[in-house]
Amino acid sequence: DQQVKQNSPSLSVQEGRISILNCDYTNSMFDYFLWYKKYPAEGPTFLISISSIKDKNEDGRFTVFLNKSAKHLSLHIVPSQPGDSAVYFCAASALNRDDKIIFGKGTRLHILP
Amino acid sequence: ETGVTQTPRHLVMGMTNKKSLKCEQHLGHNAMYWYKQSAKKPLELMFVYSLEERVENNSVPSRFSPECPNSSHLFLHLHTLQPEDSALYLCASSQAWDRGYGYTFGSGTRLTVV
Repeated sequence: DQQVKQNSPSLSVQEGRISILNCDYTNSMFDYFLWYKKYPAEGPTFLISISSIKDKNEDGRFTVFLNKSAKHLSLHIVPSQPGDSAVYFCAASALNRDDKIIFGKGTRLHILP
Repeated sequence: ETGVTQTPRHLVMGMTNKKSLKCEQHLGHNAMYWYKQSAKKPLELMFVYSLEERVENNSVPSRFSPECPNSSHLFLHLHTLQPEDSALYLCASSQAWDRGYGYTFGSGTRLTVV
């Protein structure tokens, strides 16, 4: 049973526009959420995170929004740039489960020129 | 380089071969992990080592055997694998109980079993 779901396997966005990547989770014990970015032939790299005590965290062009009641989070990238083309993994962890991080399947983002 | 180095980058092995994947980190982290990434599947956690002791084995077949000789090194020994074991194997490390940045991943070993 998937605890972290990324239902869109891929997404195409025009350069300069906003990219919105979505993620849903089922485990209400999750209290820390992360986004990772992965280029081909490289391992995932940490992008941005958010604790469940917040509903928004912003870092430059990247903003993560958390809706706890809906068990939904999203990553906004604005403006989108060609270098943002990558696979984005949503991940979650629960402090009382030794912080094991559970990953979604990933969404491949294509930034179109 | 992320601070976590995996070798080899690519590996092709027959089903009767024995090979090992190596992971090395010099970040001062005290927890290390093996993940398997197959097409269209979430990253699957295989093994967790914390302070050089295995703390989790996620029902991984015995043909995968991990070894953590010290806090900087992690191995995954492979023997009599199946073609469905072909995947990207990722090593990661973290400072246990420091939730800030999650894990630091290596670039992975692309394994093909023929």
